[in-house]
Amino acid sequence: GAVVSQHPSWVICKSGTSVKIECRSLDFQATTMFWYRQFPKQSLMLMATSNEGSKATYEQGVEKDKFLINHASLTLSTLTVTSAHPEDSSFYICSAPPGGNEQFFGPGTRLTVL
Amino acid sequence: EDQVTQSPEALRLQEGESSSLNCSYTVSGLRGLFWYRQDPGKGPEFLFTLYSAGEEKEKERLKATLTKKESFLHITAPKPEDSATYLCAVHSTGNQFYFGTGTSLTVIP
Repeated sequence: GAVVSQHPSWVICKSGTSVKIECRSLDFQATTMFWYRQFPKQSLMLMATSNEGSKATYEQGVEKDKFLINHASLTLSTLTVTSAHPEDSSFYICSAPPGGNEQFFGPGTRLTVL
Repeated sequence: EDQVTQSPEALRLQEGESSSLNCSYTVSGLRGLFWYRQDPGKGPEFLFTLYSAGEEKEKERLKATLTKKESFLHITAPKPEDSATYLCAVHSTGNQFYFGTGTSLTVIP
């Protein structure tokens, strides 16, 4: 199956700092990637759809100025959590469809904000 | 309102005790229904895609089926390594993805 990677796998930062998470499609090109957040024992919550070469589409209630998304190439999307606070601590997962209906997920990034 | 509901929330099985997980959905139009396995601290791992009622797919001890209202993930003679959370997701004709909250499966040796 298609491979999606994320970096870093975990990050700990101080409150007020910004954190960048990378999502890469390793063996296919993805014009669209998706960013999810998952709290403990809860399902995935779609945050935004990342579109190569254009602005991301954010779900209702997700602050676009706080969660900056850049889809700079057909294999890379980045999510930057700006001025992170403890309530932003979560598991962030990206996914990409290699061309069909299926989505393939990255391994996730655990963000802890102190 | 489009939604996906999974049941039960949690399931404990003895090794070898077969069972089924349910995913009920209501969407305006179905493009595909997906099953994923998620281990703690990891991203979901793709298992199956089903596109139309009556379709079935199998992989080792897992078998997924689909009707017009729900999908079942049958687990035959499960082993402890099958313990995980199983997620169901639906892709609608409106190009939206809806995830269920998952079923946490524990298989006891």
